[in-house]
Amino acid sequence: AQSVTQLDSQVPVFEEAPVELRCNYSSSVSVYLFWYVQYPNQGLQLLLKYLSGSTLVESINGFEAEFNKSQTSFHLRKPSVHISDTAEYFCAVSDTGGFKTIFGAGTRLFVKA
Amino acid sequence: DGGITQSPKYLFRKEGQNVTLSCEQNLNHDAMYWYRQDPGQGLRLIYYSQIVNDFQKGDIAEGYSVSREKKESFPLTVTSAQKNPTAFYLCASSIVADNQPQHFGDGTRLSIL
Repeated sequence: AQSVTQLDSQVPVFEEAPVELRCNYSSSVSVYLFWYVQYPNQGLQLLLKYLSGSTLVESINGFEAEFNKSQTSFHLRKPSVHISDTAEYFCAVSDTGGFKTIFGAGTRLFVKA
Repeated sequence: DGGITQSPKYLFRKEGQNVTLSCEQNLNHDAMYWYRQDPGQGLRLIYYSQIVNDFQKGDIAEGYSVSREKKESFPLTVTSAQKNPTAFYLCASSIVADNQPQHFGDGTRLSIL
């Protein structure tokens, strides 16, 4: 069965520092990959997605993620974080030809001044 | 604006009582989902539906029931058989395709009195 592992449950970082949130998935077949962000007491919002093509995908607010098929990873990065980036981030995967999306346990990013 | 509306935002249940959580979408999506979110456990799928009048159990369906009488609506009932119902419940919808992201409501927080 498909699974998603987010290697860090919490990541504290100072404002303007770079950050990487790690995500590994288990499937060896073709997959679609997503990162979602959740602010307190809200639902999840799509941050970015990898469907095909370029392995580096970017969001409008400076985050990027790189699909690495050989390492089955889809790590999320931002070169300089802001206080407003404090939130929980979820990595998710769905198999091609499948239907259900599997979510990781989440990584809580805490940006300190 | 299109979106998903969950109500109420907060809900309290007495022991032995059934409660129903509302989820309405105006995105014209065929697929709808219910997730349960507990701290440190990510999202767990309760039920999902790909079309009106049809739905399937997810990973933790015991103690829950759903209906899908209209495309726009997918209410979730938490029955008295659910022994640990305190959680944050999220409703989502999507186009029926493996490469489509899910759109989420802002959730309902259920607590036991």
